[in-house]
Amino acid sequence: GQNIDQPTEMTATEGAIVQINCTYQTSGFNGLFWYQQHAGEAPTFLSYNVLDGLEEKGRFSSFLSRSKGYSYLLLKELQMKDSASYLCAALSGGYNKLIFGAGTRLAVHP
Amino acid sequence: EADIYQTPRYLVIGTGKKITLECSQTMGHDKMYWYQQDPGMELHLIHYSYGVNSTEKGDLSSESTVSRIRTEHFPLTLESARPSHTSQYLCASSEILAGGNEQFFGPGTRLTVL
Repeated sequence: GQNIDQPTEMTATEGAIVQINCTYQTSGFNGLFWYQQHAGEAPTFLSYNVLDGLEEKGRFSSFLSRSKGYSYLLLKELQMKDSASYLCAALSGGYNKLIFGAGTRLAVHP
Repeated sequence: EADIYQTPRYLVIGTGKKITLECSQTMGHDKMYWYQQDPGMELHLIHYSYGVNSTEKGDLSSESTVSRIRTEHFPLTLESARPSHTSQYLCASSEILAGGNEQFFGPGTRLTVL
């Protein structure tokens, strides 16, 4: 079967660093996406990893280990506006469908 | 400006009505998708299309139907809405190239069936 697991909720302090983990089991894995979704809004793209290793983009970094079926999203210098849900999604199969996790709701407090 | 649009943004209707949710994109993308998302829950793929005259059912069974007569347009229709159809519907598009294609999402339609 296909499965994406990530924590339901996390809290962190403004200015801190937070790591959101994601484990996946999918057939025909073709890469791992992270999306940010504010309440009531559409998801917006954050990162894509297809090879093992760390991809850094400003305050956000994403890591992938294909052999372990594991990824994480690292958010540095947290700001209040980073309070949102973070969706882990695996690109799967010959038709490149995205399989989404339920999302991790991050609350950043002062 | 290249973008993806959905109308209406909010819709409240009575049981048994026929409705069509509109989705259009100006990015020239071949692949388009419809997702259903309940509050606080994951996105579920209900329909997708690889191009004109191509439509496929997604992972979540849905009573809705879609059509793809033009590249830029991917409407979703419910012939007879029921309260169980109350949800947020998100349309997305991406390029046809294999691997690593970011899906761009529209703003969504929040549907409430009374």
